[in-house]
Amino acid sequence: AQSVTQLDSHVSVSEGTPVLLRCNYSSSYSPSLFWYVQHPNKGLQLLLKYTSAATLVKGINGFEAEFKKSETSFHLTKPSAHMSDAAEYFCVVSGGGFQKLVFGTGTRLLVSP
Amino acid sequence: DTGVSQDPRHKITKRGQNVTFRCDPISEHNRLYWYRQTLGQGPEFLTYFQNEAQLEKSRLLSDRFSAERPKGSFSTLEIQRTEQGDSAMYLCASSLAVQGDTQYFGPGTRLTVL
Repeated sequence: AQSVTQLDSHVSVSEGTPVLLRCNYSSSYSPSLFWYVQHPNKGLQLLLKYTSAATLVKGINGFEAEFKKSETSFHLTKPSAHMSDAAEYFCVVSGGGFQKLVFGTGTRLLVSP
Repeated sequence: DTGVSQDPRHKITKRGQNVTFRCDPISEHNRLYWYRQTLGQGPEFLTYFQNEAQLEKSRLLSDRFSAERPKGSFSTLEIQRTEQGDSAMYLCASSLAVQGDTQYFGPGTRLTVL
């Protein structure tokens, strides 16, 4: 069985400060891990993915995540938040034969001026 | 690449009515997935097709739900005798049949059952 736990339901930052969204995973397989972002009234967009290559993964819009097997974590970071980063972020795990995605409950990122 | 499209974007129906949603995947993608997202939650897997074969169904998919992908291209999801608890966003995604391949999501169909 696979699961992800997003440790914070809401994260508030000021524009220009670093962002940290935390995610722990559990997987019986060698997992693929993803971060997706969902802006209001828009579809899910892939930010980045880990598929057993480099443990530090760079994504779009300046986001990156580090796969730490010993800690079963895949935290999402960004050095400097922008107002347009305000959205819901989902940590996602997949594995096994057909790559069903298992989503976390989401972290809402709020960015204040 | 036109992306994944879904139709309609919004559907309001009365309890007990049947509804059908359509998903058009990215043209070269042979895997197609349906997910459901309720308010404040992450999407949950419903079912999956590889080409025209439906290979996996979640226990969330009751007997009132049926999905098809007749020619391995577009897919339909039908809900019979809708209930208020069916109100949700229904998301479609597609991918290639490659380990770890990215699933690309459509904009979703928001269903409201009155």
